[in-house]
Amino acid sequence: GDSVTQMEGPVTLSEEACLTINCTYTATGYPSLFWYVQYPGEGLQLLLKATKADDKGSNKGFEATYRKETTSFHLEKGSVQVSDSAVYFCALRGSGDKLTFGTGTRLAVRP
Amino acid sequence: GAGVSQSPSNKVTEKGKDVELRCDPISGHTALYWYRQSLGQGLEFLIYFQGNSAPDKSGLPSDRFSAERTGGSVSTLTIQRTQQEDSAVYLCASSLGQWDEKLFFGSGTQLSVL
Repeated sequence: GDSVTQMEGPVTLSEEACLTINCTYTATGYPSLFWYVQYPGEGLQLLLKATKADDKGSNKGFEATYRKETTSFHLEKGSVQVSDSAVYFCALRGSGDKLTFGTGTRLAVRP
Repeated sequence: GAGVSQSPSNKVTEKGKDVELRCDPISGHTALYWYRQSLGQGLEFLIYFQGNSAPDKSGLPSDRFSAERTGGSVSTLTIQRTQQEDSAVYLCASSLGQWDEKLFFGSGTQLSVL
């Protein structure tokens, strides 16, 4: 079945550092890929998505590229801010209608 | 309302009791999802509704779990004879339609079974 594997956290960075959160997936066919973010005290919200190979999703300075050859969708940001502190979830939608999520990676950014 | 609303926000119950969790999706959203988030775990899919029907209920962990949706709107997740392992945050999400890939999540119900 479909599955998503993402790096364990927590990830602790200083402000303005570079961020990479790794995500790999297993799915049949051609899934759509997502990053969701959960800020403290808030519900999950869509951060970015990519629906086909080589697509790049981007939002709020975050980027992720759909790499079919490596079945990956790593989340990157060149310069993180304290306000980026949150839990980040990688997810995919395969042949069914549901989203399959990874375990989440907590990011803490220090001033 | 403006977003997905879940109630109660917190529920503490004794082992063996039944609980009902409620989800009010965004008005006009036909697809509704229930997920469970346990400590240290990812989001575990439970059930998906399109309108009032549930095409995919493959994630319900046991027959103690059931869900219904009425009027294409409000959904209720019922857990009978709760067990300690049922303790988790239960999340509801809705989307415009079956093929809409942007889910809007509620803030969840924190269930604690003592």
